[in-house]
Amino acid sequence: QITLKESGPTLVKPTQTLTLTCTFSGFSLTTSGVGVGWIRQPPGKALEWLALIYWNDDKRYSPSLKSRLTITKDTSKNQVVLTMTNMDPVDTATYYCAHSPPLYGPGSYYLDYWGQGTLVTVSS
Amino acid sequence: IQLTQSPSSLSASVGDRVTITCRASQGISSYLAWYQQKPGKAPKLLISAASTLQSGVPSRFSGSGSGTDFTLTISSLQPEDFATYYCQQLNSYPLTFGGGTKVEIK
Repeated sequence: QITLKESGPTLVKPTQTLTLTCTFSGFSLTTSGVGVGWIRQPPGKALEWLALIYWNDDKRYSPSLKSRLTITKDTSKNQVVLTMTNMDPVDTATYYCAHSPPLYGPGSYYLDYWGQGTLVTVSS
Repeated sequence: IQLTQSPSSLSASVGDRVTITCRASQGISSYLAWYQQKPGKAPKLLISAASTLQSGVPSRFSGSGSGTDFTLTISSLQPEDFATYYCQQLNSYPLTFGGGTKVEIK
Protein backbone atom coordinates (compact mmCIF):
# COMPACT_ATOMS: atom_id res chain seq x y z
CA GLN A 1 0.00 0.00 0.00
CA ILE A 2 1.07 3.59 -0.49
CA THR A 3 2.53 5.42 2.48
CA LEU A 4 4.33 8.74 2.84
CA LYS A 5 6.12 10.24 5.80
CA GLU A 6 7.54 13.71 6.29
CA SER A 7 10.71 14.38 8.25
CA GLY A 8 12.74 17.43 9.13
CA PRO A 9 13.35 19.96 11.88
CA THR A 10 10.53 20.90 14.22
CA LEU A 11 12.04 24.29 14.99
CA VAL A 12 13.86 26.70 12.71
CA LYS A 13 15.01 30.24 13.29
CA PRO A 14 13.90 33.21 11.20
CA THR A 15 15.95 33.66 7.99
CA GLN A 16 17.09 30.03 8.08
CA THR A 17 16.43 27.51 5.30
CA LEU A 18 13.99 24.69 5.95
CA THR A 19 14.65 21.28 4.41
CA LEU A 20 11.88 18.68 4.55
CA THR A 21 12.08 15.13 3.28
CA CYS A 22 9.16 13.00 2.16
CA THR A 23 9.98 9.29 2.22
CA PHE A 24 7.45 7.10 0.48
CA SER A 25 6.72 3.48 -0.30
CA GLY A 26 4.21 1.56 -2.36
CA PHE A 27 4.86 3.45 -5.59
CA SER A 28 7.74 4.68 -7.72
CA LEU A 29 8.44 8.18 -8.91
CA THR A 30 9.64 6.65 -12.15
CA THR A 31 6.12 5.55 -13.05
CA SER A 32 4.64 7.63 -15.82
CA GLY A 33 2.25 10.29 -14.53
CA VAL A 34 2.99 9.96 -10.81
CA GLY A 35 3.66 13.03 -8.74
CA VAL A 36 4.43 14.03 -5.14
CA GLY A 37 3.26 17.33 -3.76
CA TRP A 38 3.73 19.47 -0.66
CA ILE A 39 0.93 21.26 1.15
CA ARG A 40 1.04 23.22 4.39
CA GLN A 41 -1.47 24.29 7.01
CA PRO A 42 -0.83 27.01 9.60
CA PRO A 43 -2.39 26.25 12.99
CA GLY A 44 -6.15 26.69 12.79
CA LYS A 45 -6.05 27.77 9.16
CA ALA A 46 -6.74 26.38 5.71
CA LEU A 47 -4.61 24.18 3.48
CA GLU A 48 -2.12 25.85 1.15
CA TRP A 49 -0.69 24.08 -1.90
CA LEU A 50 3.06 24.63 -2.24
CA ALA A 51 4.69 22.54 -4.93
CA LEU A 52 4.53 19.33 -6.91
CA ILE A 53 7.13 17.25 -8.74
CA TYR A 54 6.34 14.66 -11.41
CA TRP A 55 7.94 11.43 -12.54
CA ASN A 56 9.55 13.25 -15.49
CA ASP A 57 11.03 15.97 -13.20
CA ASP A 58 8.39 18.50 -14.21
CA LYS A 59 8.09 20.89 -11.26
CA ARG A 60 5.26 23.23 -10.32
CA TYR A 61 5.30 25.88 -7.62
CA SER A 62 2.95 28.23 -5.86
CA PRO A 63 3.63 31.60 -7.52
CA SER A 64 3.54 33.42 -4.19
CA LEU A 65 6.35 31.24 -2.81
CA LYS A 66 8.19 30.25 -5.95
CA SER A 67 11.26 32.37 -5.23
CA ARG A 68 11.73 30.57 -1.91
CA LEU A 69 10.91 26.97 -2.82
CA THR A 70 12.85 24.17 -4.44
CA ILE A 71 11.47 20.65 -4.90
CA THR A 72 13.68 17.73 -5.92
CA LYS A 73 13.43 13.96 -6.05
CA ASP A 74 15.73 11.04 -5.42
CA THR A 75 14.13 8.03 -7.05
CA SER A 76 16.78 5.65 -5.76
CA LYS A 77 15.84 6.56 -2.18
CA ASN A 78 12.10 7.03 -2.80
CA GLN A 79 12.34 10.54 -1.46
CA VAL A 80 11.18 14.02 -2.35
CA VAL A 81 12.83 17.02 -0.75
CA LEU A 82 11.36 20.48 -0.31
CA THR A 83 13.54 23.41 0.65
CA MET A 84 12.17 26.78 1.70
CA THR A 85 14.54 29.68 2.19
CA ASN A 86 14.32 32.73 4.41
CA MET A 87 11.87 31.25 6.90
CA ASP A 88 9.61 33.60 8.83
CA PRO A 89 7.27 33.05 11.79
CA VAL A 90 4.31 33.18 9.38
CA ASP A 91 5.68 29.97 7.82
CA THR A 92 4.87 28.10 11.03
CA ALA A 93 2.64 25.27 9.88
CA THR A 94 2.12 21.56 9.53
CA TYR A 95 3.74 20.48 6.28
CA TYR A 96 2.29 17.52 4.40
CA CYS A 97 3.50 15.56 1.43
CA ALA A 98 1.04 13.67 -0.73
CA HIS A 99 0.82 11.34 -3.75
CA SER A 100 -0.69 12.40 -7.06
CA PRO A 101 -1.92 9.43 -9.10
CA PRO A 102 -0.50 8.35 -12.47
CA LEU A 103 -2.97 10.22 -14.61
CA TYR A 104 -2.65 13.05 -17.09
CA GLY A 105 -4.20 16.41 -17.71
CA PRO A 106 -6.46 18.77 -15.80
CA GLY A 107 -8.57 17.05 -13.22
CA SER A 108 -5.93 14.46 -12.47
CA TYR A 109 -3.86 16.49 -10.04
CA TYR A 110 -5.68 15.40 -6.90
CA LEU A 111 -3.87 14.01 -3.87
CA ASP A 112 -5.05 10.57 -2.92
CA TYR A 113 -2.55 9.56 -0.25
CA TRP A 114 -1.14 11.88 2.39
CA GLY A 115 1.59 11.70 4.99
CA GLN A 116 0.80 12.38 8.63
CA GLY A 117 2.34 15.83 8.46
CA THR A 118 5.13 17.47 10.40
CA LEU A 119 4.77 20.65 12.44
CA VAL A 120 7.47 23.22 11.78
CA THR A 121 7.70 26.19 14.12
CA VAL A 122 9.66 29.28 13.14
CA SER A 123 10.90 31.16 16.15
CA SER A 124 14.07 32.70 17.46
CA ILE B 1 -8.06 30.61 -9.40
CA GLN B 2 -9.72 31.50 -6.10
CA LEU B 3 -12.11 29.10 -4.38
CA THR B 4 -14.74 30.39 -1.96
CA GLN B 5 -16.46 27.91 0.31
CA SER B 6 -19.68 28.58 2.12
CA PRO B 7 -20.59 28.48 4.83
CA SER B 8 -17.29 28.67 6.70
CA SER B 9 -18.91 26.67 9.49
CA LEU B 10 -22.21 25.04 10.25
CA SER B 11 -23.89 23.22 13.09
CA ALA B 12 -25.95 20.17 12.31
CA SER B 13 -27.45 17.15 13.99
CA VAL B 14 -26.94 13.48 13.28
CA GLY B 15 -29.23 12.51 10.43
CA ASP B 16 -29.35 15.97 8.89
CA ARG B 17 -28.73 16.61 5.22
CA VAL B 18 -25.75 18.93 4.82
CA THR B 19 -24.71 20.89 1.76
CA ILE B 20 -21.43 22.74 1.33
CA THR B 21 -20.76 25.04 -1.59
CA CYS B 22 -17.52 25.84 -3.39
CA ARG B 23 -17.40 28.64 -5.94
CA ALA B 24 -14.49 29.14 -8.32
CA SER B 25 -13.39 32.56 -9.56
CA GLN B 26 -13.36 31.22 -13.11
CA GLY B 27 -14.66 28.16 -14.87
CA ILE B 28 -12.87 24.94 -14.03
CA SER B 29 -15.07 22.42 -15.86
CA SER B 30 -15.47 19.47 -13.47
CA TYR B 31 -11.90 19.63 -12.22
CA LEU B 32 -12.59 19.76 -8.50
CA ALA B 33 -11.82 17.54 -5.52
CA TRP B 34 -13.24 17.40 -2.00
CA TYR B 35 -11.30 16.43 1.12
CA GLN B 36 -12.30 15.71 4.70
CA GLN B 37 -9.98 16.60 7.56
CA LYS B 38 -10.40 15.64 11.18
CA PRO B 39 -8.52 17.41 13.99
CA GLY B 40 -4.86 16.47 14.11
CA LYS B 41 -5.12 14.31 11.00
CA ALA B 42 -4.14 14.62 7.36
CA PRO B 43 -6.84 15.40 4.81
CA LYS B 44 -8.61 12.46 3.19
CA LEU B 45 -9.70 12.51 -0.43
CA LEU B 46 -13.46 12.01 -0.75
CA ILE B 47 -14.33 13.03 -4.29
CA SER B 48 -12.45 13.76 -7.50
CA ALA B 49 -13.69 15.12 -10.82
CA ALA B 50 -16.46 16.93 -8.94
CA SER B 51 -18.59 13.82 -8.46
CA THR B 52 -16.44 10.66 -8.50
CA LEU B 53 -16.58 9.03 -5.09
CA GLN B 54 -13.31 7.50 -4.01
CA SER B 55 -13.17 3.83 -3.10
CA GLY B 56 -14.29 3.21 0.46
CA VAL B 57 -16.06 6.55 0.89
CA PRO B 58 -19.63 6.09 2.12
CA SER B 59 -22.36 6.67 -0.44
CA ARG B 60 -23.98 9.32 1.76
CA PHE B 61 -21.32 11.64 0.36
CA SER B 62 -21.94 13.06 -3.09
CA GLY B 63 -20.57 15.86 -5.20
CA SER B 64 -22.00 17.83 -8.06
CA GLY B 65 -21.42 20.86 -10.21
CA SER B 66 -19.33 22.12 -13.08
CA GLY B 67 -17.99 25.42 -14.29
CA THR B 68 -17.83 27.68 -11.25
CA ASP B 69 -20.33 26.23 -8.78
CA PHE B 70 -19.94 22.98 -6.89
CA THR B 71 -21.58 21.28 -3.95
CA LEU B 72 -20.68 18.54 -1.51
CA THR B 73 -23.70 16.89 0.06
CA ILE B 74 -23.87 14.55 3.02
CA SER B 75 -27.30 12.95 2.81
CA SER B 76 -27.55 11.83 6.43
CA LEU B 77 -24.88 13.19 8.73
CA GLN B 78 -23.16 10.58 10.91
CA PRO B 79 -21.10 11.16 14.06
CA GLU B 80 -17.87 10.39 12.21
CA ASP B 81 -18.62 13.09 9.61
CA PHE B 82 -17.97 15.98 11.97
CA ALA B 83 -14.86 17.47 10.42
CA THR B 84 -13.60 20.25 8.17
CA TYR B 85 -14.16 19.92 4.44
CA TYR B 86 -12.01 21.48 1.73
CA CYS B 87 -12.44 21.81 -2.01
CA GLN B 88 -9.44 21.97 -4.36
CA GLN B 89 -9.42 23.03 -7.98
CA LEU B 90 -7.58 20.71 -10.34
CA ASN B 91 -7.83 22.84 -13.47
CA SER B 92 -4.56 24.73 -13.43
CA TYR B 93 -1.53 25.51 -11.29
CA PRO B 94 -1.37 26.56 -8.53
CA LEU B 95 -3.82 23.91 -7.33
CA THR B 96 -5.62 26.09 -4.82
CA PHE B 97 -7.78 25.00 -1.91
CA GLY B 98 -10.89 26.62 -0.58
CA GLY B 99 -10.97 28.13 2.89
CA GLY B 100 -12.71 25.14 4.44
CA THR B 101 -16.09 24.42 6.00
CA LYS B 102 -16.20 23.18 9.56
CA VAL B 103 -19.12 20.88 10.32
CA GLU B 104 -19.89 20.88 14.03
CA ILE B 105 -22.33 19.04 16.23
CA LYS B 106 -25.54 20.90 17.04
